[in-house]
Amino acid sequence: GAGVSQTPSNKVTEKGKYVELRCDPISGHTALYWYRQSLGQGPEFLIYFQGTGAADDSGLPNDRFFAVRPEGSVSTLKIQRTERGDSAVYLCASSLGPGGNSPLHFGNGTRLTVT
Amino acid sequence: ILNVEQSPQSLHVQEGDSTNFTCSFPSSNFYALHWYRWETAKSPEALFVMTLNGDEKKKGRISATLNTKEGYSYLYIKGSQPEDSATYLCAFNTPGGKLIFGQGTELSVKP
Repeated sequence: GAGVSQTPSNKVTEKGKYVELRCDPISGHTALYWYRQSLGQGPEFLIYFQGTGAADDSGLPNDRFFAVRPEGSVSTLKIQRTERGDSAVYLCASSLGPGGNSPLHFGNGTRLTVT
Repeated sequence: ILNVEQSPQSLHVQEGDSTNFTCSFPSSNFYALHWYRWETAKSPEALFVMTLNGDEKKKGRISATLNTKEGYSYLYIKGSQPEDSATYLCAFNTPGGKLIFGQGTELSVKP
């Protein structure tokens, strides 16, 4: 079956611009996670959704970052006034439930480069 | 602040060697511990989800153990093969559902 899909796979933008990153989870997966990964680091937690609501957004670095999941399926991560430090691979993952016995299924990531 | 530590950061072994690495996590409020394998140019893939103290899980030549009381998990690879080369990540699952990843152990197996 279809896995987690992330678009675009690569995004180059200028400092100060707005970007949207999209994640299409596996059908039926209620939990959806966003992570950010910089070179040499493990995935850094940003936010996770259970259904339509953000169950934990404690990892969003500041108010330039926002994520939505209006119908409990597709999610969009939005970054305003991008900065060079936002350059990273943004990973999305989904699971049947919020962790526990449910492993995460990851997309291939979006590589964001802010010039 | 919840801290998940993995050691070593990187490991270089010869084909046929057995190897192991460690994941340390908070011993209080344990819910689950995940292991993932991340090959270059691919997405992370789940290996194990462990929930019970003393649990041991096995998948082919890879196995993992869990000690929730002291806050560590070991991942073992028996008879390493070049195709085992990858970054191995562990993640601590909080009761609230958030998964916090360690920085990973990068394994390189030379033929």
